Amino acid sequence: NAGVTQTPKFRILKIGQSMTLQCAQDMNHNYMYWYRQDPGMGLKLIYYSVGAGITDKGEVPNGYNVSRSTTEDFPLRLELAAPSQTSVYFCASSSPRVTGNTEAFFGQGTRLTVV
Amino acid sequence: DAKTTQPNSMESNEEEPVHLPCNHSTISGTDYIHWYRQLPSQGPEYVIHGLTSNVNNRMASLAIAEDRKSSTLILHRATLRDAAVYYCILSRIDNYGQNFVFGPGTRLSVLP
Repeated sequence: NAGVTQTPKFRILKIGQSMTLQCAQDMNHNYMYWYRQDPGMGLKLIYYSVGAGITDKGEVPNGYNVSRSTTEDFPLRLELAAPSQTSVYFCASSSPRVTGNTEAFFGQGTRLTVV
Repeated sequence: DAKTTQPNSMESNEEEPVHLPCNHSTISGTDYIHWYRQLPSQGPEYVIHGLTSNVNNRMASLAIAEDRKSSTLILHRATLRDAAVYYCILSRIDNYGQNFVFGPGTRLSVLP
């Protein structure tokens, strides 16, 4: 199993450019998440999805969009990049069971710099 | 979302046990206590989780207070590789998903 795979690992964007951060998981998890982590801080939830076709906003959704057309993929789109979006982005997945909570699996992150 | 409180940083000597505390006084009955750690330049890694009873796995032990308002992650013999930021998180499942709310965590330094 590859787990959660994020691409690219690094990217530099100019202000106003757009890009899509890719995230794929091969564990058949129904729940997927996007977080951002600013230097020295904890992770903040951007968007999440509880299954294909269902997405919802997290704590810091402004400036981002997501889609979930398949169980495996959960891309994050930045439409007009701003310096405030310079951060490390983590994708995660989990599959909570009816009878109990379960752990989340995280990707290795995408380090994005907007200049 | 229920919040957790952890010390900003802790130090340990190599091969000694480490007790990382976490306070969660507003925990609800359906909240599970999760611990994750983040090594430098990596994504968070699951360590352990539990609801009411103490839990053990190959990485660590989780001791949960009887009133569930606090918990302690125990690393039995710290190694240099255990130097990381440790996050204590309360997670529940509701109609909106399974939430994981990260605080700033505890930065653990392991001295040789």
